[in-house]
Amino acid sequence: IAGITQAPTSQILAAGRRMTLRCTQDMRHNAMYWYRQDLGLGLRLIHYSNTAGTTGKGEVPDGYSVSRANTDDFPLTLASAVPSQTSVYFCASSDRGETDTQYFGPGTRLTVL
Amino acid sequence: GQNIDQPTEMTATEGAIVQINCTYQTSGFNGLFWYQQHAGEAPTFLSYNVLDGLEEKGRFSSFLSRSKGYSYLLLKELQMKDSASYLCAVRDSNYQLIWGAGTKLIIKP
Repeated sequence: IAGITQAPTSQILAAGRRMTLRCTQDMRHNAMYWYRQDLGLGLRLIHYSNTAGTTGKGEVPDGYSVSRANTDDFPLTLASAVPSQTSVYFCASSDRGETDTQYFGPGTRLTVL
Repeated sequence: GQNIDQPTEMTATEGAIVQINCTYQTSGFNGLFWYQQHAGEAPTFLSYNVLDGLEEKGRFSSFLSRSKGYSYLLLKELQMKDSASYLCAVRDSNYQLIWGAGTKLIIKP
């Protein structure tokens, strides 16, 4: 593994189904983030984690949950998917250093029908 | 509210210079980032400014004026591979990134 990986790459999901998007990083970064990207809008933060064992809500947390059991993994769960959650989801991580630059995974394209 | 403004789309010619502007109104300021995003791919880090002035990195430069809430990304000697979206993001007082919608740059031969 090099950097951040996300799975699946894409998914079509029926409304009402539960779905977990996976994110794993091997950079030993303390902080991790989940964003969604929709056409015409900037990236919007869903949830974040500053360190293993802690999580926080971003701008658009409703309908999503996260956990951070260890440094490397930060899964995002949609408990009961709705069509408005159709989006591209990016996971990112940062080292909380001087610039605290965020580095992104390749994304998951999710379609909820 | 917090706001980041960038032009939606710009067109430039291969070999030329283009300047992409970003204005921001945020609750606090703890740095400004520029990212490049090719279609269907993840954003990749280009530059970081926290103090006023120009930061140069090869063909790309980024400028910041905190008093004016303004930044620009300057791309020189444009190449076809520079066709992408360019995202401006500001770290606010809560230490979260606020993102602009991005500027789609189209390079013509």
